[in-house]
Amino acid sequence: ETGVTQSPTHLIKTRGQQVTLRCSSQSGHNTVSWYQQALGQGPQFIFQYYREEENGRGNFPPRFSGLQFPNYSSELNVNALELDDSALYLCASSLKKDEQFFGPGTRLTVL
Amino acid sequence: GNSVTQMEGPVTLSEEAFLTINCTYTATGYPSLFWYVQYPGEGLQLLLKATKADDKGSNKGFEATYRKETTSFHLEKGSVQVSDSAVYFCALDSSYKLIFGSGTRLLVRP
Repeated sequence: ETGVTQSPTHLIKTRGQQVTLRCSSQSGHNTVSWYQQALGQGPQFIFQYYREEENGRGNFPPRFSGLQFPNYSSELNVNALELDDSALYLCASSLKKDEQFFGPGTRLTVL
Repeated sequence: GNSVTQMEGPVTLSEEAFLTINCTYTATGYPSLFWYVQYPGEGLQLLLKATKADDKGSNKGFEATYRKETTSFHLEKGSVQVSDSAVYFCALDSSYKLIFGSGTRLLVRP
């Protein structure tokens, strides 16, 4: 059984650019959640996708958007990057409301 | 709204010492409670969970009991090892999302 994978591992962007992060969910899972973890903080919920539809959203601006594909993999897109967007972005997959399994994260640095 | 408060770290202990990391929560209803661990450079791993009041979650020598009366879910281990050095996050299940505390860094010295 393959766990949750994320790509890329690390990414460096400049302010104003756009970025796309990718997540492959664990086999059999139909729900993907994205979290932002700033340095020294706990993860903050961005949004969740269930069967290709957004199922809930945290307190993040519209420039944070996402997609879920028919195979339940997912993308997180961030437009007009700001310095404060520098963080570890974590993806978690689950079977609806069951336990969430986290990937290793993508470390985004905005210069 | 729902929230989680953890004791601030870092917590520094000698090997074989007793560990307690405090966690209290504010929530509507009775959410499931979790402890996650994050090793350097890695994502989150579920350490243990409890789904209702008075439940005790346990794993790898770690334990935590869901206390409704004190709204707490303190993490304990009787004898820590150097390999337990990591950041520990308390979290609650709020409908479709997890709400995390700010994390407590544990450093265990040989």
